[in-house]
Amino acid sequence: DGGITQSPKYLFRKEGQNVTLSCEQNLNHDAMYWYRQDPGQGLRLIYYSQIVNDFQKGDIAEGYSVSREKKESFPLTVTSAQKNPTAFYLCASSQTGGLVTEAFFGQGTRLTVV
Amino acid sequence: SQQGEEDPQALSIQEGENATMNCSYKTSINNLQWYRQNSGRGLVHLILIRSNEREKHSGRLRVTLDTSKKSSSLLITASRAADTASYFCATAITDSWGKLQFGAGTQVVVTP
Repeated sequence: DGGITQSPKYLFRKEGQNVTLSCEQNLNHDAMYWYRQDPGQGLRLIYYSQIVNDFQKGDIAEGYSVSREKKESFPLTVTSAQKNPTAFYLCASSQTGGLVTEAFFGQGTRLTVV
Repeated sequence: SQQGEEDPQALSIQEGENATMNCSYKTSINNLQWYRQNSGRGLVHLILIRSNEREKHSGRLRVTLDTSKKSSSLLITASRAADTASYFCATAITDSWGKLQFGAGTQVVVTP
């Protein structure tokens, strides 16, 4: 089935550790996004990528890093520089062409710092 | 602050009633989209309305867009308990390649 898959569903991180969240899509979409969701605050854009080997910072990129080596994959690394990483992380993809059409979301990864 | 802001923040209605929520935004857009999120899950796309459209329907959903007021509304008619979810508007901003900016959402509870 076509779709977008995030893993793991739950992730626990110790203080000072880097962790990487996986996002894979088989929709043949060029654009991919990472959002962070905190309770009652909606979604905030971390990074987005229009095409392979290219990505741009979103509104809250500090403490995060990404790569886009393959069209299907857009992993997000939460580094130790991110001071408050506990949140729900959502990956999405969409077709490009200048106008954004609908975005398809994964089921999310809930990251907790312990 | 967020590009899109929904109002109200929360809404509680009974089955069969209509639910209306509003979204305001600040800058010029290519299109505006509405999404639904069940608790702890990903978002699901509901409907997209382009900047040159004023109204759009999809099943029990009706969306309006007023670009002069920079606002949109989502109406869910004859609500069901299964409509209980959070609803978000998202704007594709004109001069930002079209990346989506989301509001904080409206939490809707439909009681049987």
